[in-house]
Amino acid sequence: AQKVTQAQTEISVVEKEDVTLDCVYETRDTTYYLFWYKQPPSGELVFLIRRNSFDEQNEISGRYSWNFQKSTSSFNFTITASQVVDSAVYFCALRHPIFTGNQFYFGTGTSLTVIP
Amino acid sequence: AAGVIQSPRHLIKEKRETATLKCYPIPRHDTVYWYQQGPGQDPQFLISFYEKMQSDKGSIPDRFSAQQFSDYHSELNMSSLELGDSALYFCASSPREGSTEAFFGQGTRLTVV
Repeated sequence: AQKVTQAQTEISVVEKEDVTLDCVYETRDTTYYLFWYKQPPSGELVFLIRRNSFDEQNEISGRYSWNFQKSTSSFNFTITASQVVDSAVYFCALRHPIFTGNQFYFGTGTSLTVIP
Repeated sequence: AAGVIQSPRHLIKEKRETATLKCYPIPRHDTVYWYQQGPGQDPQFLISFYEKMQSDKGSIPDRFSAQQFSDYHSELNMSSLELGDSALYFCASSPREGSTEAFFGQGTRLTVV
């Protein structure tokens, strides 16, 4: 079975603080892809990153960084020096390119509020 | 760059009415996915199409139907609307079935009153 767990429902931080959003996934397959999406109050889903199961390199993009650890089935997302514009709901998702119809399995999301 | 276009962006319908949501994928994308996101929920997969044929089906009610047309745009038809159908409906497109790339539209917010 495929499952994505985002245990943190809501997080509040003060501007300029660092914050890490946790994502734990379950899958029986060896080939899969993990994603993070941002959903601002306007509602659209903004793609942030895609990572395949064979690439455990951590990635940094500006203030964003991702830590992928297959040993713990985790794909955590860190925002450094948070800003008010980072306030949004963040979804982690799992996808299989071949099996299960290639649909996304989303976590329940983490609502991040950055307080000025 | 062209993105996935969904129309309308907002829709208000009364109970028992019918609604049609449209999705125009990125040019040369032949695969379309529909997702439903209820208030405070994560997006749930409804149905997908590849080359105008249904390729997978999720938790789509029988009152809903969808199809993909020859120009690859897709329509989601929802009949006998219920209050619980109020949600954000996303369409996503992929260059081909099995591709890991998927691009979401901005969504259609349906409110049933």
